[in-house]
Amino acid sequence: GENVGLHLPTLSVQEGDNSIINCAYSNSASDYFIWYKQESGKGPQFIIDIRSNMDKRQGQRVTVLLNKTVKHLSLQIAATQPGDSAVYFCAENTGGFKTIFGAGTRLFVKA
Amino acid sequence: DTAVSQTPKYLVTQMGNDKSIKCEQNLGHDTMYWYKQDSKKFLKIMFSYNNKELIINETVPNRFSPKSPDKAHLNLHINSLELGDSAVYFCASSQDVGGVVGGYTFGSGTRLTVV
Repeated sequence: GENVGLHLPTLSVQEGDNSIINCAYSNSASDYFIWYKQESGKGPQFIIDIRSNMDKRQGQRVTVLLNKTVKHLSLQIAATQPGDSAVYFCAENTGGFKTIFGAGTRLFVKA
Repeated sequence: DTAVSQTPKYLVTQMGNDKSIKCEQNLGHDTMYWYKQDSKKFLKIMFSYNNKELIINETVPNRFSPKSPDKAHLNLHINSLELGDSAVYFCASSQDVGGVVGGYTFGSGTRLTVV
């Protein structure tokens, strides 16, 4: 069924530390994955994506890791800043018409 | 310049009323979507249009009716509003069908409260 991610967990990190947000997906046919960031009062914003033929992709301060064997996706944020506080969603697409979103993880950054 | 804009941002209305939410994108994208976000932040797709043609129609009550006058606009009309319709509704667009090229661009949401 459609079951991407976990129920909304919370991650609290100290400013300057690295953050790791995890996501489990259920459809082994998914071939495109995206991480979105949603700040309070705003819509989700694209952060980084990865296709199933890759294991790792890096952006600016962010890295996405994909483990297809265990159907696991993670987002790593280096040197976490207060502005990183938000809800983060993983999402998957099986090559069809729609992208399915996970339940999100709330990240708190402590100053 | 706002890429995906939706109006209104807030909508408070009584049960039984009919209301509309409008969405416009200036990105030149071919595909537009409506998502509903519940109080637990879960995002669920409702509808998708590609070049004015309906391509996704999830299990949504037929009180919800999308309309796409052109590929830059996708409006959502809701009849006979119920308490359970209270949520944040997001419009989104993508360059391709399904958002597999660069994902989606979302609007800032419309918070609908039915009292």
